[in-house]
Amino acid sequence: DADVTQTPRNRITKTGKRIMLECSQTKGHDRMYWYRQDPGLGLRLIYYSFDVKDINKGEISDGYSVSRQAQAKFSLSLESAIPNQTALYFCATSDGTVQNTEAFFGQGTRLTVV
Amino acid sequence: AQSVAQPEDQVNVAEGNPLTVKCTYSVSGNPYLFWYVQYPNRGLQFLLKYITGDNLVKGSYGFEAEFNKSQTSFHLKKPSALVSDSALYFCAVRAPNTGGFKTIFGAGTRLFVKA
Repeated sequence: DADVTQTPRNRITKTGKRIMLECSQTKGHDRMYWYRQDPGLGLRLIYYSFDVKDINKGEISDGYSVSRQAQAKFSLSLESAIPNQTALYFCATSDGTVQNTEAFFGQGTRLTVV
Repeated sequence: AQSVAQPEDQVNVAEGNPLTVKCTYSVSGNPYLFWYVQYPNRGLQFLLKYITGDNLVKGSYGFEAEFNKSQTSFHLKKPSALVSDSALYFCAVRAPNTGGFKTIFGAGTRLFVKA
């Protein structure tokens, strides 16, 4: 089983609909992240969480919200989806006890807003 | 401000030849530098990182990267490319003492290895 699991893997939704992307991890990490990947732009940080009670906006948080339901679960919501939110979304985790640690990524959710 | 540049959108190399994927960065202080690889329909996988010490870092799948402080570069290299190395490669930089969240990713370089 993957250490970082995202559901769904693919989703097509209509403009204006609310949609939730879910992420769960078995790494035991306290830090979790949501990134968005667009061609030619790399990965951009949407939200990050250092623990259940600590949630922070990233560089492109407008139009998104998150919930950290438990140490292992971090969900991303699009309150009212719009076509320019069509992208590949990644959840990631890292060990907060180590400053220079790498991140572990889920397999991604491909979201299409029509 | 932190930034990462991967100047090549795509790199083409023949199997068996050496490969280089370029990365330059701008960050205050001594950065932590990372390379990740993304295969089709997969998430990013960690390849290697530079924290301190030896400028030549060895990582997974035979890859290595050379940290050059004066040129602010962290190029990814492999002596002999394989077709299976074809993927999307991301360079990332993190300034120290930023809590781990300020990791900036480059735009990615697509590597094609031709048989």
